[in-house]
Amino acid sequence: ELKVEQNPLFLSMQEGKNYTIYCNYSTTSDRLYWYRQDPGKSLESLFVLLSNGAVKQEGRLMASLDTKARLSTLHITAAVHDLSATYFCAVVLNNNDMRFGAGTRLTVKP
Amino acid sequence: GAVVSQHPSWVICKSGTSVKIECRSLDFQATTMFWYRQFPKQSLMLMATSNEGSKATYEQGVEKDKFLINHASLTLSTLTVTSAHPEDSSFYICSARDIDTTGELFFGEGSRLTVL
Repeated sequence: ELKVEQNPLFLSMQEGKNYTIYCNYSTTSDRLYWYRQDPGKSLESLFVLLSNGAVKQEGRLMASLDTKARLSTLHITAAVHDLSATYFCAVVLNNNDMRFGAGTRLTVKP
Repeated sequence: GAVVSQHPSWVICKSGTSVKIECRSLDFQATTMFWYRQFPKQSLMLMATSNEGSKATYEQGVEKDKFLINHASLTLSTLTVTSAHPEDSSFYICSARDIDTTGELFFGEGSRLTVL
């Protein structure tokens, strides 16, 4: 059974600081997604990573994928308050099911 | 990007009643839609995979007689929570896969169900 583990689950950081969220998964997959969820809202797609070594950046967020290590990272650079949200990684199985990590609740403090 | 619409956005109902939630892909066709449930401060849990023209595939532990799924067309899937109880109160999110793309999923806005 596929397991998707995110670390950390909760993260409080100061504005301007950098941090990395990790997503490990237990079985082979070549598609990984990162989503953002604000309270009471649905998911907002951030990144789709389709191949080993893929790196994508949007603003202060950068995501990478290492399919051999079954690891993806979401790096936050110079955090700002607007980035406060819950971030989920999700891995697609061979049968096209998508399984989510537990989520990382990020709070950026001024 | 592609748009997936859910309706209603929120619903409050009495215990024992049934509630239907609709998930529509507005500008693309989706042979497969997924239904997720999210309890407060938890992740999304896949409930079932809805396939157009065939029976839904339910995840282990999800009662198919309680959560009825119908995918009658390439743009519409419905989830009916039958005889709802307070423990069914949750945030229900659907997603749809565009058959013409790489398979990226597009998520609906979610439907918050509260059962009194």
